[in-house]
Amino acid sequence: DPKIIQKPKYLVAVTGSEKILICEQYLGHNAMYWYRQSAKKPLEFMFSYSYQKLMDNQTASSRFQPQSSKKNHLDLQITALKPDDSATYFCASSQDRYQDTQYFGPGTRLLVL
Amino acid sequence: QQQVRQSSQSLTVWEGETAILNCSYENSAFDYFPWYQQFPGEGPALLIAIRSVSDKKEDGRFTIFFNKREKNLSLHIKDSQPGDSATYFCAASARTGGYKVVFGSGTRLLVSP
Repeated sequence: DPKIIQKPKYLVAVTGSEKILICEQYLGHNAMYWYRQSAKKPLEFMFSYSYQKLMDNQTASSRFQPQSSKKNHLDLQITALKPDDSATYFCASSQDRYQDTQYFGPGTRLLVL
Repeated sequence: QQQVRQSSQSLTVWEGETAILNCSYENSAFDYFPWYQQFPGEGPALLIAIRSVSDKKEDGRFTIFFNKREKNLSLHIKDSQPGDSATYFCAASARTGGYKVVFGSGTRLLVSP
C-alpha cells in the first residue's frame, strides 16, 4: 500500500487559474515537505511543516500556499498559475523535522498552458 | 551558490562494471549525506546514507566513500545492472541547519547490457 499519496498524478491547468495539490502520508510522521522538480532545478525545496506548523519557506512567491488540515495532510494551493510553474511537485515526510531521512511521494506532474 | 554539486549530469557504464558517482559540498556543517535513487515517473527513494563520522558505508552492491577533509563523497555501484539505470541525487543536511536537506542536481546513470 502506498504510504504517501499524492493526487492527482497529472494536472493540466490554464494560465491564471488556481489548483490544489493533495498530499496524505500514512507513515505516522510529524514533519512534511514540498519539493518542486523541473528541468531547470532538479529538486528544489519549497516548504517544511512540523506538527502542522510552517517551519521553513523557501518559496519567494505568495502564490504558493501550503494547507495542513490534519496532521498527516499537507496540500499545496497554487494561485494565478503561470507556465513557469509547470513542474513535478513532490510531497515528502519524515518522523519529525530533526530526522534526516525523508520519504517522498510519487509526485503530481503539473502542466500550465 | 550550489551547496551540493554532482560533477556528472550523466554516466554510462556496461552491465557488470562499477559505476562511480561523485559529489562534493561546500558547507562544513553538513553531517548527514543521503543518496536518493529516482526512476522516471516516481519520487526519489532513499538508497543509502552516511554520517560524517564515518568514511565508508556499504549496503549490498552500494558503497559510499566519504572524505571529510576534501568535502567530497562518492557512490559506488558494484556489478551494475540495467535495473540500476536511474537518476541518483546526492544530498546533505546539517543538525545546525535544522536538518533541511539540500540536493545536488543529480546524475543520470545508464547501465547498458
